[in-house]
Amino acid sequence: SQTIHQWPATLVQPVGSPLSLECTVEGTSNPNLYWYRQAAGRGLQLLFYSVGIGQISSEVPQNLSASRPQDRQFILSSKKLLLSDSGFYLCAWSPTGTGYSYEQYFGPGTRLTVT
Amino acid sequence: GEDVEQSLFLSVREGDSSVINCTYTDSSSTYLYWYKQEPGAGLQLLTYIFSNMDMKQDQRLTVLLNKKDKHLSLRIADTQTGDSAIYFCAERDGGYQKVTFGTGTKLQVIP
Repeated sequence: SQTIHQWPATLVQPVGSPLSLECTVEGTSNPNLYWYRQAAGRGLQLLFYSVGIGQISSEVPQNLSASRPQDRQFILSSKKLLLSDSGFYLCAWSPTGTGYSYEQYFGPGTRLTVT
Repeated sequence: GEDVEQSLFLSVREGDSSVINCTYTDSSSTYLYWYKQEPGAGLQLLTYIFSNMDMKQDQRLTVLLNKKDKHLSLRIADTQTGDSAIYFCAERDGGYQKVTFGTGTKLQVIP
């Protein structure tokens, strides 16, 4: 069966510090991968998605970046965090290929607080 | 762009049925989904419906789709306190690899 891991679970970082959040998926190959941010426990904002290694699409211009160095690894980074980067970050994957309904499966999330 | 809207809050008594509504604007939606999020956790896929279907039932869950009105609903029968959570509807445009989520409906179940 497929599983998705995110770490760390919680993170407190000072303004101006770097960020690296990691997401890995097991039990599938060539998944689509997604990074979302959820502010105030509500709507999801799509930040990045990837349909393959090295292929990243950015939805919202900001000081965050994403990379996909391996098929099932998705990393969210920042060189200098802002207060507005605080939030709940969710990674998700969806199966690809014919016969799939493209549903997304979410990781447990990372709670980031920028102080 | 695509837009998915939901009411923010719903309160029901334990044992009653809950109906959570969602409207969307994208007429080319292929799949529509319902997700559940418990506090501090990621989203859990509950069910989905293909756009050529009107209804889908899965145990206590019933999804109704009115494609003409672009209206999706989730009915939870015999609502339990464990159903308290935020429920998101989402739609996928057939031409894209991404999904648009609604703002979420917070369901409160009163014992």
